[in-house]
Amino acid sequence: DGGITQSPKYLFRKEGQNVTLSCEQNLNHDAMYWYRQDPGQGLRLIYYSQIVNDFQKGDIAEGYSVSREKKESFPLTVTSAQKNPTAFYLCASSYGAAYNEKLFFGSGTQLSVL
Amino acid sequence: GQQVMQIPQYQHVQEGEDFTTYCNSSTTLSNIQWYKQRPGGHPVFLIQLVKSGEVKKQKRLTFQFGEAKKNSSLHITATQTTDVGTYFCAGPYTGTASKLTFGTGTRLQVTL
Repeated sequence: DGGITQSPKYLFRKEGQNVTLSCEQNLNHDAMYWYRQDPGQGLRLIYYSQIVNDFQKGDIAEGYSVSREKKESFPLTVTSAQKNPTAFYLCASSYGAAYNEKLFFGSGTQLSVL
Repeated sequence: GQQVMQIPQYQHVQEGEDFTTYCNSSTTLSNIQWYKQRPGGHPVFLIQLVKSGEVKKQKRLTFQFGEAKKNSSLHITATQTTDVGTYFCAGPYTGTASKLTFGTGTRLQVTL
């Protein structure tokens, strides 16, 4: 089955620790995205990548980092600089980077702070 | 920056009643997309509207794009318990390919 796989489903971060969320897709999509979802709020864009080895900041990139070394993979690192990391993180992909592309989402990772 | 607001934030209906959520953008949109997120799940694409005044139907769901392309609505006729979830509208960032600004969402609860 083609799709987007996020792991782990639940993740706990200790104070001062960096954690990495995994996102893999086998849809052969060029573009990938990371969104953050807080209760009662919409999805906010953290980072996006339209092509391998290239990525851009979204609206709330501070305290996060990404890489795009392979087309299939777009891992997100939540650094210790992110002071309020507790949220539901959603990875998405789209076939291309055109303005009318629909997004396909993974099942998400719930990150909590210990 | 671009903002997309949805109202209401939450609605609770009895099964069989109709439901409508409204989406308003601070800027003109080239297109608008709608997604549904079931409780505990992830957003799933429902539909895209592109033309001014466009109306599309999917069974009991009717989607409309405003004439000025700054607002949209989703109407569900005769809700069912399977309609439970949060409905998001999303529009492209102005002048930027495929980055979507998501609305704040409307959470729908349906009871028997």
